[in-house]
Amino acid sequence: TAGITQAPTSQILAAGRSMTLRCTQDMRHNAMYWYRQDLGLGLRLIHYSNTAGTTGKGEVPDGYSVSRANTDDFPLTLASAVPSQTSVYFCASSDDVGANVLTFGAGSRLTVL
Amino acid sequence: GQNIDQPTEMTATEGAIVQINCTYQTSGFNGLFWYQQHAGEAPTFLSYNVLDGLEEKGRFSSFLSRSKGYSYLLLKELQMKDSASYLCAGMDSNYQLIWGAGTKLIIKP
Repeated sequence: TAGITQAPTSQILAAGRSMTLRCTQDMRHNAMYWYRQDLGLGLRLIHYSNTAGTTGKGEVPDGYSVSRANTDDFPLTLASAVPSQTSVYFCASSDDVGANVLTFGAGSRLTVL
Repeated sequence: GQNIDQPTEMTATEGAIVQINCTYQTSGFNGLFWYQQHAGEAPTFLSYNVLDGLEEKGRFSSFLSRSKGYSYLLLKELQMKDSASYLCAGMDSNYQLIWGAGTKLIIKP
């Protein structure tokens, strides 16, 4: 089934450790996004990429980094995790910037202790 | 600032009709979106409005009034599987989505 694959599904991480959340899409979408979703808050954009080789900062980029070496992959790295990064992380993609449909991955639930 | 407001939770009865409201303030406007998110799952696209008026898709309809900064999602003939959170999002002039916190819809038999 075409779509977005995220890994891991869930992870418990000690504070101070690093972690990379993986995201792969097979739809040849140009734009990709990382969001975090916390109870009582709307989805918040962490980083985005309009096309392979480019990335940009979203609303809450601090403590996170991304890379976009090719069209399909968009990993999110936490260099030194803190408890406030406990959240559900969703990777999403769209045909292009401003396209009217986002396709989301199933999410990665991260707990930082 | 940019903001999306929608009710936190609503309850409705199976077979009935429910309207979920959303008000938005964005820097510029490139459309209003509704997504459905079942518990523990990813959001999925429901509708997109960029012009005033009502868009109908089966049991679901979405309305937009740009002058009032207002939208609603109308769900008819409610089914138990419609129990989910409904996310409203506005797209600003930079094509960034501003998301509401979501409305949790509880359907009772």
